[in-house]
Parts: sequence; structure tokens; C-alpha cells
Amino acid sequence: EAQVTQNPRYLITVTGKKLTVTCSQNMNHEYMSWYRQDPGLGLRQIYYSMNVEVTDKGDVPEGYKVSRKEKRNFPLILESPSPNQTSLYFCASRSAGIGGYTFGSGTRLTVV
Amino acid sequence: DAKTTQPPSMDCAEGRAANLPCNHSTISGNEYVYWYRQIHSQGPQYIIHGLKNNETNEMASLIITEDRKSSTLILPHATLRDTAVYYCIVRVDTDKLIFGTGTRLQVFP
Repeated sequence: EAQVTQNPRYLITVTGKKLTVTCSQNMNHEYMSWYRQDPGLGLRQIYYSMNVEVTDKGDVPEGYKVSRKEKRNFPLILESPSPNQTSLYFCASRSAGIGGYTFGSGTRLTVV
Repeated sequence: DAKTTQPPSMDCAEGRAANLPCNHSTISGNEYVYWYRQIHSQGPQYIIHGLKNNETNEMASLIITEDRKSSTLILPHATLRDTAVYYCIVRVDTDKLIFGTGTRLQVFP
């Protein structure tokens, strides 16, 4: 089944403890992207990648890092999480061209 | 800031057509209009996209005005499962997508 898989689905962590949210797609898509969703603010793009080793900032990149060493994987790294990064996170991918994104099921992160 | 404007909420009776409007008056010539929807806190689901011609797929139809300043997503026979938040998005730059706050569609029996 074609899908975007995020792990973990739920995570509670403490301030300052580095964490990684993994994202993997099995559709050979070139483009991948990370979003966060907060009440009243909608979906905001964190980072996106147009191919291996090509990444760019979205609207809210501060406090996050990404890497794209392989085509299928696009992990989101929080080096020193803070409570304002408590949010629902989505990873998405699409093929080159004009098609739409396929989204993962989300990761609900709580930083205490 | 989002480049699209949508009403915050709409209601539709089950079985009737749901027509969701979107204003994108600053759209440029090579920008596509995309529609997604999000049910509860699930990942958004791609619905349809278009440039200037009307488009139809198994989920919906997209009507884009001739001047491309607005569009309408049509769900021809809404069901309760179509209750969701619908996002109209204009693709800017390469992949820097900007989601607005969308339209919350409530389908009632």
C-alpha cells in the first residue's frame, strides 16, 4: 500500500532532550515536507525537500532540523525541544510535477 | 500570510451538493489551485487541483473562474463522511505551500 509512515504517533518528552520523528514513504516521491498544526493557526510548513540533499525552509523552521540522505526518508530533528513545540506534526510526500501531497497520519508531540 | 480566502464554515444537507468557494485574487499565471480536506486530526487528504480549466475526478469537481481569481470545489452528493475542514491552496514558489484556516463543512442528515 502506498503510504507515508511517521513514527512515533505519540510522544511525550522533556524540555531539552533531543528527539527525532521519522518519516518514510514507499512511493519513490521526490518531494517531502513537514508541517505542524496548532489550534487556531492551521497547518504551517516547517521544511521541505525537493530531492536527496536538497532542503529548504518553510514558514516556521526555527528550532527544527531536517535531513534527506535517502529518497524515502525525511526525519525531523528537534535538537533541544521546548514547550512551544508541542504540536501535531505531519509529514507528506509527492512526486515531481503538479500532483498533490500524500500525508502521514501525524505525530502528536508534547514537550513538558 | 495565506494567499487564499475561504468562509470559516458551511453547512450542507446529506445528498445535496456542497459548493465550497475560495478567493485567490492575487494568483499568478503559473500557479495551480489545490484542494485538500482534513477529517478530525487525521492527515490532510488531497482532493483535486487545477490551473484554469474545470476539473473533475471521483471525489469532486473544481470550477475555476475565467479570470482565475476564485474557484469552487463541488462535492456533488455530500455524505456525513464528507464532514471535514477543506483547504484551498495556491502553490507558491516551488513547494512552499501555505494552508489557510480552511472551511469547516458540516454535513447534516
